[in-house]
Amino acid sequence: DTAVSQTPKYLVTQMGNDKSIKCEQNLGHDTMYWYKQDSKKFLKITFSYNNKELIINETVPNRFSPKSPDKAHLNLHINSLELGDSAVYFCASSSRLAGNLDTQYFGPGTRLTVL
Amino acid sequence: AQSVTQLGSHVSVSEGALVLLRCNYSSSVPPYLFWYVQYPNQGLQLLLKYTTGATLVKGINGFEAEFKKSETSFHLTKPSAHMSDAAEYFCAVSDRRLYGGATNKLIFGTGTLLAVQP
Repeated sequence: DTAVSQTPKYLVTQMGNDKSIKCEQNLGHDTMYWYKQDSKKFLKITFSYNNKELIINETVPNRFSPKSPDKAHLNLHINSLELGDSAVYFCASSSRLAGNLDTQYFGPGTRLTVL
Repeated sequence: AQSVTQLGSHVSVSEGALVLLRCNYSSSVPPYLFWYVQYPNQGLQLLLKYTTGATLVKGINGFEAEFKKSETSFHLTKPSAHMSDAAEYFCAVSDRRLYGGATNKLIFGTGTLLAVQP
């Protein structure tokens, strides 16, 4: 009964490739987020969707393209991968409807390694 | 804009000793504050949060934190450390604005790695 799940858990790929990370939540939340954690453990938000609408788009390269097919899913596609994209990517979700938008629940993370 | 500063990137305590992890915040509006824990190779788990009301907040695993507006602090404490508490701890503030435009993203501190010695 995993609340926020991500696939894959590990992703190793060559520079220049295109890859996708998937996230699903079964909490009934309407808002989802992608955070990036770098090698120094620093966490920063990249994107957020509410009801499939993009509401946060931090300064990230346009090689990153999130897609939310429905409220329960938020995928992240990365084109032309670069060494600096190596990081752990965390998905999170929260509920605006429950008046609890600020409490975010995180997935287990996807460790992306670009060689 | 909100920000969070965690003092001490590494803290080491003996098993059974008091745990004190420091967090100071900056916010132009009443802050919503959070502590998350990250065990090795795992995601983030919410320990506790402060939004409004009682300033002493109790969380899971025996942790608590006190919101002190005068000191702009939200330090995390636990009376007696256990080996299983060894992890990375993150303080965070929510991006809130009184008059709209809030994104509700979490702004994280740089984390404190807690080591517990036997």
